[in-house]
Amino acid sequence: GENVEQHPSTLSVQEGDSAVIKCTYSDSASNYFPWYKQELGKRPQLIIDIRSNVGEKKDQRIAVTLNKTAKHFSLHITETQPEDSAVYFCASRNFNKFYFGSGTKLNVKP
Amino acid sequence: NAGVTQTPKFQVLKTGQSMTLQCAQDMNHEYMSWYRQDPGMGLRLIHYSVGAGITDQGEVPNGYNVSRSTTEDFPLRLLSAAPSQTSVYFCASTLGAQNTEAFFGQGTRLTVV
Repeated sequence: GENVEQHPSTLSVQEGDSAVIKCTYSDSASNYFPWYKQELGKRPQLIIDIRSNVGEKKDQRIAVTLNKTAKHFSLHITETQPEDSAVYFCASRNFNKFYFGSGTKLNVKP
Repeated sequence: NAGVTQTPKFQVLKTGQSMTLQCAQDMNHEYMSWYRQDPGMGLRLIHYSVGAGITDQGEVPNGYNVSRSTTEDFPLRLLSAAPSQTSVYFCASTLGAQNTEAFFGQGTRLTVV
């Protein structure tokens, strides 16, 4: 089955800096790659996604890149703010199933 | 439009007890699924359903049963609770097409003592 690996597990940045989280997947049949943000005690919520026929997508301070050949995708957050502090999960969708990475705890220091 | 609703939010069980976690969605989504979230392990798929009357196992199905009698509801049953089932459980629904997002319920924090 699919295997999604996510790095780093924790990331601490200064407010205003950029943050990058990377994920790899194993199954070339996976074709949809969402990123979720989960605040403490809350449900995961979608922040951005990318489909397999697209290489990059941007939404204000958030961008995602996908390299299908290398089977990796990354989340980029620019001009980080304290409210960006949360756990971020990458995922891949393979037919009827989502497979999640183990999460990255992002801490943005004021 | 409530989205995905889970009940209860918190539950404490004794080892060996059984219970059902409820999940309902009002978005007419075909796909529904259950995940458990443990520290450092992300979300792991327990069971999923692609429509009423159709269910299948995910990555960690042992100790859990599901059924899908209606499009709206997808309950998760713990048959005989064990301490290893202490976790946060999330239900999610998806429209059905391959490249659409999963919407999550608010989660159930389960402790088995």
